[in-house]
Amino acid sequence: KQEVTQIPAALSVPEGENLVLNCSFTDSAIYNLQWFRQDPGKGLTSLLLIQSSQREQTSGRLNASLDKSSGRSTLYIAASQPGDSATYLCAVMGETSYDKVIFGPGTSLSVIP
Amino acid sequence: EAQVTQNPRYLITVTGKKLTVTCSQNMNHEYMSWYRQDPGLGLRQIYYSMNVEVTDKGDVPEGYKVSRKEKRNFPLILESPSPNQTSLYFCASSPGGGTKTQYFGPGTRLLVL
Repeated sequence: KQEVTQIPAALSVPEGENLVLNCSFTDSAIYNLQWFRQDPGKGLTSLLLIQSSQREQTSGRLNASLDKSSGRSTLYIAASQPGDSATYLCAVMGETSYDKVIFGPGTSLSVIP
Repeated sequence: EAQVTQNPRYLITVTGKKLTVTCSQNMNHEYMSWYRQDPGLGLRQIYYSMNVEVTDKGDVPEGYKVSRKEKRNFPLILESPSPNQTSLYFCASSPGGGTKTQYFGPGTRLLVL
């Protein structure tokens, strides 16, 4: 059964620092991996989606990498800002494009001005 | 405006009283899904649907029913709610299953007394 973990559970950094969030999954037979952001009391906003055949995706200050064979993904945030404060979740979809989605528990990020 | 809507946003009910949470998307998406989010357990998928009349179980389907009679609607039915179904529920949709990202609704907070 697929299990997804995220390290660290919480992170506090000063503004301007570059940071890395980690996501690990136990079953490498995935179709894709997604990173989401959730603000308190709100729904989820998609940040990046990486197909299993891809190694990385970039959007602005965000870069996500995927190493399917080792069951790992990282989300790199450059030059962090207070507005980046939120919970970041990774999610993996099973082997096919219409399959189950398993979420990690999330990393709570606080960027201090 | 492209969006996923859920109703109601907040609901207090009593054990055993059947309820339905509606979900609707106006983007002609094929894939729709229901999740519940609980402290310490994160987001867990309840049911998902690949298209009209095609649904499948997620990780925590017990106590829930769904139907997909139209492409835009994916209601979540609790036939006999119990207190352990108190949770924050999210509906999501995606245009191409795992090839595209999921768009999330604003959430429905349910309290079962």
